[in-house]
Amino acid sequence: NAGVTQTPKFQVLKTGQSMTLQCAQDMNHEYMSWYRQDPGMGLRLIHYSVGAGITDQGEVPNGYNVSRSTTEDFPLRLLSAAPSQTSVYFCASSYLPLLNTEAFFGQGTRLTVV
Amino acid sequence: AQSVTQLDSHVSVSEGTPVLLRCNYSSSYSPSLFWYVQHPNKGLQLLLKYTSAATLVKGINGFEAEFKKSETSFHLTKPSAHMSDAAEYFCVVSDGSSNTGKLIFGQGTTLQVKP
Repeated sequence: NAGVTQTPKFQVLKTGQSMTLQCAQDMNHEYMSWYRQDPGMGLRLIHYSVGAGITDQGEVPNGYNVSRSTTEDFPLRLLSAAPSQTSVYFCASSYLPLLNTEAFFGQGTRLTVV
Repeated sequence: AQSVTQLDSHVSVSEGTPVLLRCNYSSSYSPSLFWYVQHPNKGLQLLLKYTSAATLVKGINGFEAEFKKSETSFHLTKPSAHMSDAAEYFCVVSDGSSNTGKLIFGQGTTLQVKP
């Protein structure tokens, strides 16, 4: 009963490096999303997907790319890391329709960009 | 636009005393409201949700919340705090005004429980 699995848990990057944060869910959820958590700001939506092959931007998409080739996986790519991307990143998944539906969260990836 | 305001960034209680975490929301639609809890270095876990079925919602670990439309509030309560309740709590509204499925988070309230 894995739920939502994120890897890695911790990562340190140098400015300008690229990397991919992995997210996988085993609940056959159609909807997946990425959030970033910054102190005093709650969580903010980066990108989301309503199914394989379909992605769209959230509130703070700049500097990030996503793809959804399978129902299970939803990786988040940082193209050229910047210190402003230092944050804790959460992947979440849920069934559709979205209203009233509980979102399941991964354990988070703590990213530091130096 | 929908929004959520958590009125306290930090709440400190003694073990065995009541807990009150306050949340006000703004919504043009009939909202779906949630409380999530985040323990240190962990993901978020759903405590409870309001989906218009009943105004008093019971959740896990003895928490409950009351939806008050007239006050646009959804405060979280627990009769008796336990040390294990120390965590960060988020009040969340589901954004029904768009098709993004976006969850709108409050800023969070850190609950400290003193022995």
